Amino acid sequence: DAGITQSPRHKVTETGTPVTLRCHQTENHRYMYWYRQDPGHGLRLIHYSYGVKDTDKGEVSDGYSVSRSKTEDFLLTLESATSSQTSVYFCAISESSGFDQPQHFGDGTRLSIL
Amino acid sequence: TQLLEQSPQFLSIQEGENLTVYCNSSSVFSSLQWYRQEPGEGPVLLVTVVTGGEVKKLKRLTFQFGDARKDSSLHITAAQPGDTGLYLCAGEGNTGFQKLVFGTGTRLLVSP
Repeated sequence: DAGITQSPRHKVTETGTPVTLRCHQTENHRYMYWYRQDPGHGLRLIHYSYGVKDTDKGEVSDGYSVSRSKTEDFLLTLESATSSQTSVYFCAISESSGFDQPQHFGDGTRLSIL
Repeated sequence: TQLLEQSPQFLSIQEGENLTVYCNSSSVFSSLQWYRQEPGEGPVLLVTVVTGGEVKKLKRLTFQFGDARKDSSLHITAAQPGDTGLYLCAGEGNTGFQKLVFGTGTRLLVSP
């Protein structure tokens, strides 16, 4: 299994509070991704990174920011959490951007915003 | 925006039955992947299809990419309880970068 660790695995917080989710990889892969998974929507890309300090927006980036100061860590921040951001968040990594390079996923963080 | 619709959304069958899951879009994809996800875990890649009309087999699972690269199907022969899970298709657009668009998912339950 790819070495991907997401933390925390579960979090409950209140509306308006800041939240940071961490994704840590031991594979030295260049590409890292944050997705959210909601019923009826599948997985949707929030932000992705193609190298240290190189990030870009995905399909549903509003209300989220990311940072990547080291190859192994990709942080997702909700500056002021809202109930609509209650979801399961997955981090993924890939060695390159080619179609023949699969994305490997972490086990997710279940985030509830009350 | 590229969208992928999967059907059916839910499927409950008995062990030994055959089934087909469909993944359809009005957009063309440069490649399409199928994942299986189990509760509490992330999706795991099963296969990638790249060429229109391509057929790939993985034991009892057969994957096909449509000729026009807009649709795909997953056929399972003689389903087993271990096949239970959420099946997701994911298409890669023509951006030259692996920004996957995921389908809505098919939840399969195979009962003994």
